[in-house]
Amino acid sequence: DTGVSQDPRHKITKRGQNVTFRCDPISEHNRLYWYRQTLGQGPEFLTYFQNEAQLEKSRLLSDRFSAERPKGSFSTLEIQRTEQGDSAMYLCASSMRGETQYFGPGTRLLVL
Amino acid sequence: GENVEQHPSTLSVQEGDSAVIKCTYSDSASNYFPWYKQELGKRPQLIIDIRSNVGEKKDQRIAVTLNKTAKHFSLHITETQPEDSAVYFCAASWAGGATNKLIFGTGTLLAVQP
Repeated sequence: DTGVSQDPRHKITKRGQNVTFRCDPISEHNRLYWYRQTLGQGPEFLTYFQNEAQLEKSRLLSDRFSAERPKGSFSTLEIQRTEQGDSAMYLCASSMRGETQYFGPGTRLLVL
Repeated sequence: GENVEQHPSTLSVQEGDSAVIKCTYSDSASNYFPWYKQELGKRPQLIIDIRSNVGEKKDQRIAVTLNKTAKHFSLHITETQPEDSAVYFCAASWAGGATNKLIFGTGTLLAVQP
Protein backbone atom coordinates (compact mmCIF):
# COMPACT_ATOMS: atom_id res chain seq x y z
CA ASP A 1 0.00 0.00 0.00
CA THR A 2 1.61 3.24 -1.13
CA GLY A 3 -0.95 5.56 0.44
CA VAL A 4 -0.72 7.59 3.63
CA SER A 5 -0.60 5.36 6.70
CA GLN A 6 -1.25 6.16 10.34
CA ASP A 7 -0.57 4.29 13.53
CA PRO A 8 -2.29 3.38 15.75
CA ARG A 9 -5.74 3.27 14.20
CA HIS A 10 -7.42 3.43 17.60
CA LYS A 11 -6.25 4.67 21.00
CA ILE A 12 -8.09 4.65 24.30
CA THR A 13 -6.42 6.49 27.14
CA LYS A 14 -7.23 7.92 30.52
CA ARG A 15 -7.42 11.64 31.13
CA GLY A 16 -4.03 13.06 31.98
CA GLN A 17 -2.02 10.51 30.01
CA ASN A 18 0.23 11.36 27.07
CA VAL A 19 -0.34 9.86 23.63
CA THR A 20 1.67 9.89 20.42
CA PHE A 21 0.46 9.22 16.90
CA ARG A 22 2.50 8.52 13.81
CA CYS A 23 1.90 9.40 10.17
CA ASP A 24 3.80 8.04 7.19
CA PRO A 25 3.08 10.15 4.11
CA ILE A 26 3.19 9.05 0.51
CA SER A 27 6.80 8.64 -0.51
CA GLU A 28 8.36 11.85 -1.88
CA HIS A 29 5.47 14.04 -0.74
CA ASN A 30 7.16 17.05 0.80
CA ARG A 31 4.05 18.52 2.45
CA LEU A 32 2.36 16.97 5.48
CA TYR A 33 -0.76 18.14 7.29
CA TRP A 34 -2.51 17.16 10.51
CA TYR A 35 -6.25 17.68 10.88
CA ARG A 36 -8.71 16.87 13.64
CA GLN A 37 -12.24 15.65 12.95
CA THR A 38 -15.00 15.41 15.50
CA LEU A 39 -18.31 13.64 14.98
CA GLY A 40 -20.52 15.36 12.45
CA GLN A 41 -17.90 17.92 11.48
CA GLY A 42 -15.42 18.41 8.69
CA PRO A 43 -11.70 18.06 9.35
CA GLU A 44 -10.08 21.09 11.02
CA PHE A 45 -6.52 22.09 10.22
CA LEU A 46 -4.01 21.66 13.05
CA THR A 47 -0.52 22.03 11.61
CA TYR A 48 1.57 21.86 8.45
CA PHE A 49 5.08 20.74 7.56
CA GLN A 50 7.06 21.41 4.44
CA ASN A 51 9.85 18.88 4.54
CA GLU A 52 11.05 19.00 8.17
CA ALA A 53 9.96 22.58 8.85
CA GLN A 54 6.73 23.22 10.74
CA LEU A 55 5.45 26.29 8.96
CA GLU A 56 2.00 26.84 10.44
CA LYS A 57 0.11 25.90 13.57
CA SER A 58 -3.58 26.49 14.15
CA ARG A 59 -4.84 28.27 17.23
CA LEU A 60 -6.61 24.94 17.90
CA LEU A 61 -3.19 23.50 18.72
CA SER A 62 -2.77 24.23 22.42
CA ASP A 63 0.55 24.02 24.25
CA ARG A 64 -0.27 20.41 25.10
CA PHE A 65 0.06 19.46 21.44
CA SER A 66 3.38 19.09 19.68
CA ALA A 67 4.22 17.77 16.25
CA GLU A 68 7.49 16.85 14.62
CA ARG A 69 8.78 15.69 11.27
CA PRO A 70 12.45 15.21 12.06
CA LYS A 71 13.76 13.92 8.75
CA GLY A 72 11.12 15.26 6.45
CA SER A 73 9.49 11.85 6.11
CA PHE A 74 7.20 10.50 8.85
CA SER A 75 5.60 12.79 11.42
CA THR A 76 4.46 12.38 15.01
CA LEU A 77 1.74 14.22 16.89
CA GLU A 78 1.94 14.13 20.67
CA ILE A 79 -0.78 15.19 23.07
CA GLN A 80 0.29 15.70 26.66
CA ARG A 81 -2.04 15.56 29.66
CA THR A 82 -4.98 14.46 27.52
CA GLU A 83 -8.44 15.87 28.23
CA GLN A 84 -11.83 14.46 27.30
CA GLY A 85 -12.21 17.24 24.76
CA ASP A 86 -9.25 15.81 22.85
CA SER A 87 -11.37 12.81 21.83
CA ALA A 88 -11.55 12.95 18.03
CA MET A 89 -10.24 11.44 14.81
CA TYR A 90 -6.76 12.72 14.01
CA LEU A 91 -6.14 12.70 10.28
CA CYS A 92 -2.88 13.10 8.43
CA ALA A 93 -2.63 14.16 4.80
CA SER A 94 0.24 14.62 2.40
CA SER A 95 0.75 16.36 -0.90
CA MET A 96 3.39 17.14 -3.45
CA ARG A 97 4.11 20.85 -3.84
CA GLY A 98 0.71 21.93 -2.57
CA GLU A 99 -1.44 19.97 -4.96
CA THR A 100 -4.01 17.34 -4.05
CA GLN A 101 -3.99 16.29 -0.41
CA TYR A 102 -4.29 12.54 0.20
CA PHE A 103 -5.56 11.48 3.60
CA GLY A 104 -4.59 8.62 5.83
CA PRO A 105 -7.13 6.39 7.62
CA GLY A 106 -6.85 8.42 10.81
CA THR A 107 -6.25 7.63 14.46
CA ARG A 108 -9.39 7.60 16.55
CA LEU A 109 -8.64 8.82 20.08
CA LEU A 110 -10.96 8.27 23.03
CA VAL A 111 -10.06 9.92 26.31
CA LEU A 112 -11.88 8.46 29.32
CA GLY B 1 -11.52 34.25 9.43
CA GLU B 2 -11.80 31.71 6.69
CA ASN B 3 -15.10 29.86 6.62
CA VAL B 4 -16.88 27.39 4.34
CA GLU B 5 -20.60 26.82 4.70
CA GLN B 6 -22.19 23.68 3.25
CA HIS B 7 -25.83 22.80 2.60
CA PRO B 8 -27.81 20.67 3.04
CA SER B 9 -26.54 18.73 6.03
CA THR B 10 -28.53 15.67 4.96
CA LEU B 11 -29.88 14.69 1.56
CA SER B 12 -31.99 11.68 0.67
CA VAL B 13 -32.63 10.80 -2.97
CA GLN B 14 -34.03 7.87 -4.90
CA GLU B 15 -31.62 5.77 -6.91
CA GLY B 16 -31.24 7.30 -10.36
CA ASP B 17 -32.09 10.82 -9.25
CA SER B 18 -29.61 13.70 -9.14
CA ALA B 19 -28.07 15.16 -5.99
CA VAL B 20 -26.75 18.70 -5.55
CA ILE B 21 -24.64 19.94 -2.64
CA LYS B 22 -23.78 23.62 -2.29
CA CYS B 23 -20.93 25.44 -0.57
CA THR B 24 -20.06 29.07 0.05
CA TYR B 25 -16.62 30.32 0.99
CA SER B 26 -15.58 33.54 2.66
CA ASP B 27 -11.95 34.08 1.62
CA SER B 28 -11.84 35.68 -1.82
CA ALA B 29 -8.19 34.56 -2.14
CA SER B 30 -9.30 30.90 -2.25
CA ASN B 31 -8.57 29.37 -5.62
CA TYR B 32 -8.73 25.61 -5.14
CA PHE B 33 -11.91 23.72 -4.26
CA PRO B 34 -11.79 19.95 -3.72
CA TRP B 35 -14.64 17.63 -2.82
CA TYR B 36 -14.06 14.60 -0.60
CA LYS B 37 -16.23 11.54 -0.03
CA GLN B 38 -16.00 9.86 3.35
CA GLU B 39 -17.64 6.52 4.01
CA LEU B 40 -18.30 5.50 7.58
CA GLY B 41 -15.06 4.83 9.43
CA LYS B 42 -12.90 5.47 6.38
CA ARG B 43 -10.55 8.17 5.19
CA PRO B 44 -11.74 11.17 3.14
CA GLN B 45 -11.16 10.45 -0.54
CA LEU B 46 -10.90 13.10 -3.22
CA ILE B 47 -13.59 12.69 -5.86
CA ILE B 48 -13.19 15.88 -7.88
CA ASP B 49 -11.60 19.30 -7.60
CA ILE B 50 -11.72 22.60 -9.43
CA ARG B 51 -9.44 25.59 -9.67
CA SER B 52 -10.61 29.16 -9.93
CA ASN B 53 -9.58 29.57 -13.55
CA VAL B 54 -12.31 27.09 -14.55
CA GLY B 55 -16.07 27.48 -14.12
CA GLU B 56 -17.08 23.82 -14.45
CA LYS B 57 -15.47 20.40 -14.41
CA LYS B 58 -17.02 17.02 -15.08
CA ASP B 59 -15.93 13.45 -14.44
CA GLN B 60 -18.46 10.84 -15.53
CA ARG B 61 -21.47 11.21 -13.18
CA ILE B 62 -19.85 13.90 -11.05
CA ALA B 63 -19.54 17.59 -11.87
CA VAL B 64 -18.51 20.67 -9.96
CA THR B 65 -19.42 24.27 -10.78
CA LEU B 66 -17.79 27.41 -9.44
CA ASN B 67 -19.12 30.97 -9.27
CA LYS B 68 -16.19 33.13 -8.14
CA THR B 69 -18.22 36.32 -8.03
CA ALA B 70 -20.75 34.85 -5.62
CA LYS B 71 -18.12 32.67 -3.91
CA HIS B 72 -20.28 29.59 -4.44
CA PHE B 73 -19.38 26.13 -5.67
CA SER B 74 -21.55 23.06 -6.03
CA LEU B 75 -21.25 19.30 -6.47
CA HIS B 76 -23.64 17.58 -8.84
CA ILE B 77 -24.06 13.81 -8.89
CA THR B 78 -26.27 12.38 -11.63
CA GLU B 79 -27.83 8.92 -11.86
CA THR B 80 -27.14 8.28 -8.19
CA GLN B 81 -26.42 4.74 -7.03
CA PRO B 82 -26.60 3.20 -3.54
CA GLU B 83 -22.77 3.16 -3.40
CA ASP B 84 -22.83 6.96 -3.61
CA SER B 85 -24.21 6.99 -0.06
CA ALA B 86 -21.60 8.67 2.16
CA VAL B 87 -20.70 12.00 3.74
CA TYR B 88 -19.45 14.57 1.24
CA PHE B 89 -17.22 17.47 2.28
CA CYS B 90 -16.39 20.54 0.29
CA ALA B 91 -13.22 22.47 1.02
CA ALA B 92 -11.41 25.60 -0.05
CA SER B 93 -7.80 26.66 0.00
CA TRP B 94 -5.39 29.18 -1.45
CA ALA B 95 -3.24 26.95 -3.65
CA GLY B 96 0.07 28.69 -4.09
CA GLY B 97 -0.01 30.13 -0.61
CA ALA B 98 2.44 29.24 2.11
CA THR B 99 0.32 26.41 3.48
CA ASN B 100 -2.48 25.30 1.13
CA LYS B 101 -4.39 24.21 4.23
CA LEU B 102 -7.91 23.06 3.48
CA ILE B 103 -10.89 24.73 5.14
CA PHE B 104 -13.72 22.21 5.17
CA GLY B 105 -17.46 22.54 5.21
CA THR B 106 -19.50 20.66 7.80
CA GLY B 107 -20.43 17.84 5.46
CA THR B 108 -23.54 16.47 3.74
CA LEU B 109 -24.83 13.00 4.53
CA LEU B 110 -26.15 11.64 1.23
CA ALA B 111 -28.47 8.64 1.38
CA VAL B 112 -29.41 7.01 -1.91
CA GLN B 113 -32.50 4.88 -1.48
CA PRO B 114 -32.63 1.79 -3.75
